[in-house]
Amino acid sequence: DAKTTQPPSMDCAEGRAANLPCNHSTISGNEYVYWYRQIHSQGPQYIIHGLKNNETNEMASLIITEDRKSSTLILPHATLRDTAVYYCIPGGTASKLTFGTGTRLQVTL
Amino acid sequence: GAVVSQHPSWVICKSGTSVKIECRSLDFQATTMFWYRQFPKQSLMLMATSNEGSKATYEQGVEKDKFLINHASLTLSTLTVTSAHPEDSSFYICSARGGRVGTDTQYFGPGTRLTVL
Repeated sequence: DAKTTQPPSMDCAEGRAANLPCNHSTISGNEYVYWYRQIHSQGPQYIIHGLKNNETNEMASLIITEDRKSSTLILPHATLRDTAVYYCIPGGTASKLTFGTGTRLQVTL
Repeated sequence: GAVVSQHPSWVICKSGTSVKIECRSLDFQATTMFWYRQFPKQSLMLMATSNEGSKATYEQGVEKDKFLINHASLTLSTLTVTSAHPEDSSFYICSARGGRVGTDTQYFGPGTRLTVL
């Protein structure tokens, strides 16, 4: 598994963009980066995943650096309902997801 | 799309009894389902992977005779915690692999909180 480093916690004001970083310097060339989030006492929710190119969907954008050693998940307009633990999972596949400790994002008024 | 349900959402049982948890993919067929466990303030840990119609594959350290998994159909997997003890109290979460070819991923259920007295 690729080594993953995420800040343990972050704060973001409601309405602002939340930028969640993830370092994965040991990721292999053909390994995807998956992002999930877990709201308190719920199951994880899939957000997005990517390989090399930046990806965007209705929930978020994923920016992967050219050397693929890091990525940033962007929630363009954070709301209180985005308060959750965000997991970056480099090397994840549809058959294997290894959850680390994630980043606890607190969105405040 | 890609909705996964679990039942029950919470259960309290006495030590020594068995508890069954159901996981259903509601709007897609899942050849592979997964069972995770999450203790308070910890991350999710994979317990086992189950494929429809075959025996589950358990992660190291997970007792297969204690955590019985049945994946009898493409939309249903069950986890039975046999002879439960207080240390089995945890949040059990299932996931199902689904989605379009090439972009499939795991979709998670809401979880089942088990408390063993």
